[in-house]
Parts: sequence; C-alpha cells; structure tokens
Amino acid sequence: DTGVSQNPRHKITKRGQNVTFRCDPISEHNRLYWYRQTLGQGPEFLTYFQNEAQLEKSRLLSDRFSAERPKGSFSTLEIQRTEQGDSAMYLCASSRVPDPYNSPLHFGNGTRLTVT
Amino acid sequence: DQQVKQNSPSLSVQEGRISILNCDYTNSMFDYFLWYKKYPAEGPTFLISISSIKDKNEDGRFTVFLNKSAKHLSLHIVPSQPGDSAVYFCAARHAGGTSYGKLTFGQGTILTVHP
Repeated sequence: DTGVSQNPRHKITKRGQNVTFRCDPISEHNRLYWYRQTLGQGPEFLTYFQNEAQLEKSRLLSDRFSAERPKGSFSTLEIQRTEQGDSAMYLCASSRVPDPYNSPLHFGNGTRLTVT
Repeated sequence: DQQVKQNSPSLSVQEGRISILNCDYTNSMFDYFLWYKKYPAEGPTFLISISSIKDKNEDGRFTVFLNKSAKHLSLHIVPSQPGDSAVYFCAARHAGGTSYGKLTFGQGTILTVHP
C-alpha cells in the first residue's frame, strides 16, 4: 500500500516542549496539505505545499507552527513551545495537480498530539 | 467564517432505512464537493463527489445531490447498514487562485445505524 503515511501515530508531550511530525505523501503527488482536527470539528486547513514551495498558510496558524517540504517529497510539521490548546489530530493529505480526473485528497491516519 | 456547515451533529437510523446527511455552503467559488467518512483513530476516507456543474451523482448505495441555487448538498445512503456508522464530513474544493484544490470541511455528522 503506497498511501499517505504519518509518523508518529501518537505523541504525548509536556507543555512548552517542541514536537515534530512527519508525513510521507503518495509518491507521485506534488501537493501536500496539513490539517488539524479537534473533537467535534471538521479538519481545519493549516498549510499546503506544491512541490517544495509553501503556497498558503492559514491566518489562524500561530508562528509557533512551521512546516517544511525540503525536497518536494516528505514534509515535517513542527510545533514549538506547545500549549494544551495544540492537542488535536494532525492530518496530512496529498494530491496531484493538474488532475483531469478530479481525484480527491488522500489522507493519512494522522498524528494524535496530547499536550499535558 | 464557516464556509461549509453541517447543522446536524448526529443522525440515528435503523438498518435498511435511508440516511440523509445535509450540508450547506456559502462560497460560490467552490467547484467540487466531496463526502468523506471517518472512523475513530483513522484519517478521512473519500466516499463520493460531485462537480458543481451536476446535480446528482450515484455510486452504489450512495447518492449525492447538489442544489446550487440553495447552496445545499445532501448525501443519501440507502439501504443503511451498521457498517456505515461513522462520522461523515462534507467538503468543498476551492476553484482557483492560490487556494485551488484546497478543501474546506464542515463540522461533521455522526451517523449511527442500528441493527
């Protein structure tokens, strides 16, 4: 299976610590998205890349959050000085553009972050 | 602002009956609408989609209807099965600009199908 892979699946950290998550998209996909989901809400857009270029960041994204996709393949999402409000499921998705078939975004299984 | 809304947090139906999940949107620039299904501890999985130029798309037990004038879409599942119990998210795709391809999601509806 060459779906979207996210690591780790779970992360528990203490408030104030830094955490980093990794996403490996489907290999032929040039677009990579990060979303965050909290209980009772739908996935909320954070940022996305086309190849290695970060094209859009949510204005809700704190400057404690940074994402990279250095070679246009895998991506990392770092949260510095974590706060309890950062506890959520962090989802990664990938797609290919242009796509004449209008294929949907493919999501990974997420990283569950708990900040204590 | 919530551009995609699912106003029913939950829905409960009997096995074999029809499930109807609703979604409203505000942005006329969306060009594609999708439904995703999510189980706990898993990522959303794609279910069915519809282009903004169509009003109906059917795939097996799942049918999505789009009413552009009302900015409303619905997902019909018939007959409903216990395995359909999950959270269903409506999503809308941005049509152009730097946001092209980005999905905006509704809050989700928890569907429970009772045997």
